[in-house]
Amino acid sequence: DTGVSQNPRHKITKRGQNVTFRCDPISEHNRLYWYRQTLGQGPEFLTYFQNEAQLEKSRLLSDRFSAERPKGSFSTLEIQRTEQGDSAMYLCASSLVAASTDTQYFGPGTRLTVL
Amino acid sequence: RKEVEQDPGPFNVPEGATVAFNCTYSNSASQSFFWYRQDCRKEPKLLMSVYSSGNEDGRFTAQLNRASQYISLLIRDSKLSDSATYLCVVNNDYKLSFGAGTTVTVRA
Repeated sequence: DTGVSQNPRHKITKRGQNVTFRCDPISEHNRLYWYRQTLGQGPEFLTYFQNEAQLEKSRLLSDRFSAERPKGSFSTLEIQRTEQGDSAMYLCASSLVAASTDTQYFGPGTRLTVL
Repeated sequence: RKEVEQDPGPFNVPEGATVAFNCTYSNSASQSFFWYRQDCRKEPKLLMSVYSSGNEDGRFTAQLNRASQYISLLIRDSKLSDSATYLCVVNNDYKLSFGAGTTVTVRA
């Protein structure tokens, strides 16, 4: 399967714990995005990388959130001191910046439940 | 005001029917437009891009009106497999802004 992969698919944690998610993009894609989706809403942009550089962060991304893409390949999203409001689906997407298109392809997501 | 507004539906239609719905977006500088499909508890998947001239992909027709900042999707000859949530998506500087989705249920 050459699509975007995410691990773990599900994570249940207690409030106050730290969690880390991983995203592996489509291999030749140079852009990687993180989104968050809560029930009944569309995904909301969190941050994105071009190669290893983090180019933009949403104001939704509080100081408890950090994302990295150290070698321009896979990315991790860490949430420190989780809160119940962090419960959501965390989606990763990747794209190849080209002249005519920048279609984003999504991974299956990591569903986080904070108890 | 949300950046992308959609009629949430639900639209409940019989097989073979035509169903149409739309969305509006607030940023007139938006560069590109899409419809994504999302099945329950799955990731969004690209259905089609939307161009100003209007475009078709099989039974699906999308229209964009930049002046009115309005995007539409029409599904002809609905199939049971078309049941899903359809997300209207706008690209602003490589960040996608999603509507909350329109739910379509096609019944036998």
